Amino acid sequence: EVKLVESGEGLAQPGGSLRLSCAATGFTFRSYAMHWLRQAPGKGLEYVSASDYSGGSTYYADSVKGRFTISRDNSKNTLYLQMGSLRPEDTAIYFCARGDCSSTSCLVDYWGQGTLVTVSS
Amino acid sequence: EIVLTQSPATLSLSPGERATLSCRASQFVASYLDWYQHKPGQAPRLLISDASNRATGIPARFSGSGSGTDFTLTISNLEPEDFAVYYCHQRNNWLYTFGQGTKLEIK
Repeated sequence: EVKLVESGEGLAQPGGSLRLSCAATGFTFRSYAMHWLRQAPGKGLEYVSASDYSGGSTYYADSVKGRFTISRDNSKNTLYLQMGSLRPEDTAIYFCARGDCSSTSCLVDYWGQGTLVTVSS
Repeated sequence: EIVLTQSPATLSLSPGERATLSCRASQFVASYLDWYQHKPGQAPRLLISDASNRATGIPARFSGSGSGTDFTLTISNLEPEDFAVYYCHQRNNWLYTFGQGTKLEIK
């Protein structure tokens, strides 16, 4: 059974930092792309960042570029999101998700339950 | 950016009824359109990929149709556990986007 469990929930001050982790089990982690998505209070789903299977190719939404860093440790089956220069608008539930990629597209097929990040003074 | 517009925003139905949810894309997305179900506090669940392919373990009462710019998710014979928020999602170009969601609530 594919399972993704996020951790790192917390309260940070504006300008502060936080690191999220996502532990993956039930599949060959090193073979899959992985994503971070978020849902702000009362809003829809938004892509934040993505990593290919190796971590060699990454994507960032414009809203987080230069502030967030995605990484992965394939030996530990874990995905990370280092969040810096946090802003109140980064307040959201953050989800990690698996991407099943072909040559043309990546299907996000499994998600974690999410972890809450609150940015407030 | 491709904008996905879902309608209605809220759908009030009773168990046993049929739900029809729509998703319209602002540009052509071929069949790269997926549907997700999301309940509060839970992981979003993939229901339908590529417009009409049910994901593993998804009951047959869920079906998807459409291509190009207009898509439909149909849930026949609603069960109590089907009341949730449903999102469509396109992955036709490199900038994937979600619709704003349809809340399916019990009437």
